[in-house]
Order: sequence, then structure tokens, then C-alpha cells
Amino acid sequence: GAGVSQTPSNKVTEKGKYVELRCDPISGHTALYWYRQSLGQGPEFLIYFQGTGAADDSGLPNDRFFAVRPEGSVSTLKIQRTERGDSAVYLCASSLFGGLSYEQYFGPGTRLTVT
Amino acid sequence: SQQGEEDPQALSIQEGENATMNCSYKTSINNLQWYRQNSGRGLVHLILIRSNEREKHSGRLRVTLDTSKKSSSLLITASRAADTASYFCATDARRQGAQKLVFGQGTRLTINP
Repeated sequence: GAGVSQTPSNKVTEKGKYVELRCDPISGHTALYWYRQSLGQGPEFLIYFQGTGAADDSGLPNDRFFAVRPEGSVSTLKIQRTERGDSAVYLCASSLFGGLSYEQYFGPGTRLTVT
Repeated sequence: SQQGEEDPQALSIQEGENATMNCSYKTSINNLQWYRQNSGRGLVHLILIRSNEREKHSGRLRVTLDTSKKSSSLLITASRAADTASYFCATDARRQGAQKLVFGQGTRLTINP
């Protein structure tokens, strides 16, 4: 079956611009996670959705970052006034249910470059 | 901050040899997971071990967990060129009922043909 998909695969934007990154989770998965991965580092948690609500947004670095999941499936990560330090690979993952006993399935990521 | 720390940061071995990677963490956990990542994208879940388990096997993979030492190891036996990847351990972090995975920095494994 289809896995987690993310679009775009690559995004280059200028400093100060607004970007949206999209994640399509596996159909039927109730939990969705966003991570950010810098070069040579492991993924860092950003936000976790259970259904439509953000159950844990403690990883969002500041108020320029926002994510939504209005219908409990597709999610969009939104970054305002991008900065060069936002450059990273943004990974999305979904799991059948919330809770860390369930395997998370990762998408291929969106590589964001802020120039 | 990262909870898990993998050791070594990089490992290069010959095809057919065994590869061992270690992970240490700081706080109590419920589960520990290992993931593989090829070419800097798309992590693949390998194995989950619960805090009350000491060892788990999956094909050529063997994971151990020592909660007294707050450490885990991943052993890949009879390595193949396709095993070349970065390997990450991830621990759960419960905070006020919310849940997230905390990843280490990873071990870059290179299998030489």
C-alpha cells in the first residue's frame, strides 16, 4: 500500500518568505508527527497530532512555526518569515494509533533550503 | 536536547562481518526503538524493545537493552553492502501525558564489498 508522502521533495526559498510543507499520512493512521533533521544529526521532534488536534507541540522552535491537520489526515507545516537556520530536512511520520508502542512510518522528507 | 547517544559515530567494516552499535540514554524509558536511514532521507523502523525486555531478534538483527546501565546495542550479523546506512536509536519521552520520540545523533555504518 501507499506509504507516507511529502511534498515538495525539495524547496528553496529566500529568507523572510513563507513556506508550507505537506504530509499525506498512511490512510487510517490517527497519529501524525513532524520532525526536523539537520545535517549529521538525528531527527528532532516538532509536533504530534492525534486526530485533528495537536497533542504535543513542545518541539516547535518558536511562533514562526505552525502546523495544522484540519480533517485528521493531511497535515501542513507552515513556516513564516523563514530564516537560514530553518534549512533542514523536514520529516513526517504516521502511526496507526498514538502512543510510542506503535511503529512510526516515515515519509521521504522535504529538504528546505533558505537562501 | 537529544536523549540517546550512539557510539561509534561512524563504523566501517567488510562485508560479511558483524556490526555492533551502541546507544546510551539519560532518563527512564518505556520503549527503545532502532531506525535505519539511507541517504539522509526516510527512516525505516527496525525493531522496538520494551523496558521489561532484555533481548530481541529480527532476522540478522539482535537488540539488547540494559536498563540499569541505560544502554542498548544493535548487532547486525553477516553484514551486506545494502546495510550501509545511518542507524538511530530513539527513546520515548513522556511529559505531562504527551509523547514524543527522542533520537540520538546516529551511527553511520559503511559496509565495504
